Amino acid sequence: AQSVTQLGSHVSVSEGALVLLRCNYSSSVPPYLFWYVQYPNQGLQLLLKYTSAATLVKGINGFEAEFKKSETSFHLTKPSAHMSDAAEYFCAVSDRAGNNRKLIWGLGTSLAVNP
Amino acid sequence: EAGVTQFPSHSVIEKGQTVTLRCDPISGHDNLYWYRRVMGKEIKFLLHFVKESKQDESGMPNNRFLAERTGGTYSTLKVQPAELEDSGVYFCASSQERTRADTQYFGPGTRLTVL
Repeated sequence: AQSVTQLGSHVSVSEGALVLLRCNYSSSVPPYLFWYVQYPNQGLQLLLKYTSAATLVKGINGFEAEFKKSETSFHLTKPSAHMSDAAEYFCAVSDRAGNNRKLIWGLGTSLAVNP
Repeated sequence: EAGVTQFPSHSVIEKGQTVTLRCDPISGHDNLYWYRRVMGKEIKFLLHFVKESKQDESGMPNNRFLAERTGGTYSTLKVQPAELEDSGVYFCASSQERTRADTQYFGPGTRLTVL
């Protein structure tokens, strides 16, 4: 069964530092890949998604992610962290084939940004 | 355009009681999803409606959970009788799904606590 692994349940960076949140998926057939963010007391918001074509995907708020098939990875990065980036980040996948549309999720990574 | 709304935002009930959660999707979205996050675990899919029909209910934990979407608009998720392990955050999402990779838009969630 498909699974998603997010390394590091808690990540802490300094303001202005690089943000790197890791995500690996398990399937041999590359799925659709998503990163969602949940700010405190808010719902889940899509940051970006990979469906096909370009392997480097740009999202909102300066985030981007690179799909690497050979590594079954879809890591999320941002060159310079802002205090407002403090939130929980979720990687999710969905199958490209079949009838189901469900998202399969990682455990999430809580990002803290220190002044 | 209004986003996905969920009611209530919080619910605290005792074991054995009944609770009904409501989700109003984005207008015009035929696809509606329910997910749940139990503390310390990943977000898990519960079920998927296309209009008023259940497309996939493979994630429903047991027959204490009943989801409906009468008329293909809002949906309810009833838990009867509630058990301690039902505590968690219940998310609703909706999408248009013109393509397989269409974004699922999430509501803020309902936090359910069963005492």
